[in-house]
This record gives sequence, structure tokens and C-alpha cells, in this order.
Amino acid sequence: DADVTQTPRNRITKTGKRIMLECSQTKGHDRMYWYRQDPGLGLRLIYYSFDVKDINKGEISDGYSVSRQAQAKFSLSLESAIPNQTALYFCATSEGQGGGYGYTFGSGTRLTVV
Amino acid sequence: GEDVEQSLFLSVREGDSSVINCTYTDSSSTYLYWYKQEPGAGLQLLTYIFSNMDMKQDQRLTVLLNKKDKHLSLRIADTQTGDSAIYFCAEWATGKAGTALIFGKGTTLSVSS
Repeated sequence: DADVTQTPRNRITKTGKRIMLECSQTKGHDRMYWYRQDPGLGLRLIYYSFDVKDINKGEISDGYSVSRQAQAKFSLSLESAIPNQTALYFCATSEGQGGGYGYTFGSGTRLTVV
Repeated sequence: GEDVEQSLFLSVREGDSSVINCTYTDSSSTYLYWYKQEPGAGLQLLTYIFSNMDMKQDQRLTVLLNKKDKHLSLRIADTQTGDSAIYFCAEWATGKAGTALIFGKGTTLSVSS
């Protein structure tokens, strides 16, 4: 099994719908992150969490919300999806800040909003 | 604020060396990373370098760090078609995105046979 699992892998949804992307990890890491990837824009941070009671906005949090249900689970929600939220979404975990380990990434969720 | 810049494309022939360059802005960064993303896949950590090092070599990969110029490079020796991917430079930074890895836009490496 993968260390960081994202579901679903692919999703097509309609404008205005609420959608949740899920992430679970078996790494035992406290820190979890959500990024979106757009062609030519690289990865941009949406939200991150350092533990279950700690949630922080990233660079582009508008239109998104998150829930840290447990150390191992971090979900990203789009309350009312819009077409410019079409992107590849990645969840990642880290052992701490800095260090030689960087992030462990999930395989990504490709979201299309029509 | 923090920022990481990379050129977007690089094209090389199989067997040649590839050099991917990156500049970063946070002089307090202690670790700098290179990630590789193959088509349809997530990002995998390729290598990293600690800021008190100038160079790190790992098989076909050589990372060079110039702290004065805030310049990081990744050299791939004897480039193979399987090296075709997007390569991301990243640094730990504290700023508008909180304390997290800040990624460059990625360099797409195309290897022709």
C-alpha cells in the first residue's frame, strides 16, 4: 500500500457542486499539506496542518476548506466548485520542518470542473 | 517574499549531460530539494542538499549549491530517455505560504534518442 493515499484519483464535477478530496497516510507524520498543480504554475500551497488541532491557510486558500479528522487523515473540500479549480491536487506529509526528508506525496487527484 | 525560479524547458540527447538550474530567495533555507515528476505520477524526492554543502553527488546526479548567488543546479550525467520528466526545485521557506516547501514552476526535461 502507498504511504500517502489520495481518493479519488480522477473526478469530474459540475460547477456549483460540493466536492471532497481525501488523503490518508501511514507515515505517522504530523504535518500534512494540500497543493494544487497547474501547467506552467508549478505547485501552490492551499492549506497545511501541523497537527490535528492546527490548520493554516496557504497561498491560495480562497474557495477551499480542510478538515484534519485524525493524524492520518486530511481532507480538502471545494464548497462550490468553479471551472478554474480544475487542476491536479496533491496531498503531502512531512516529518517536520526542514530536514533531509522533504515531503512524501500522494499520487494526486485530477479534478475537472465543468 | 520567497520565490523559486526555474527555466521551463530543457531538451537533450540521450547520453549527454543535463543541467537544470534554479534560483531561490530565502537565504535562511537550510535544505534545498530536487523532486522528479514522471508523466501521470506524483512527485518523488530525487535528492537534497544541506546549506552548508557546496556539492552533493549521488550516482548520476550532482547537486551544486552557490549560497552567495542563491543558485542551485542539478546535473544528470549520461541522460537516459527514462529521465524525461518534470524536475522541481524546492526550498523550505516561511512567508506568505506559511512554513512549507516552496516549489519552482518545474523544468520539463525532454530526452531524445
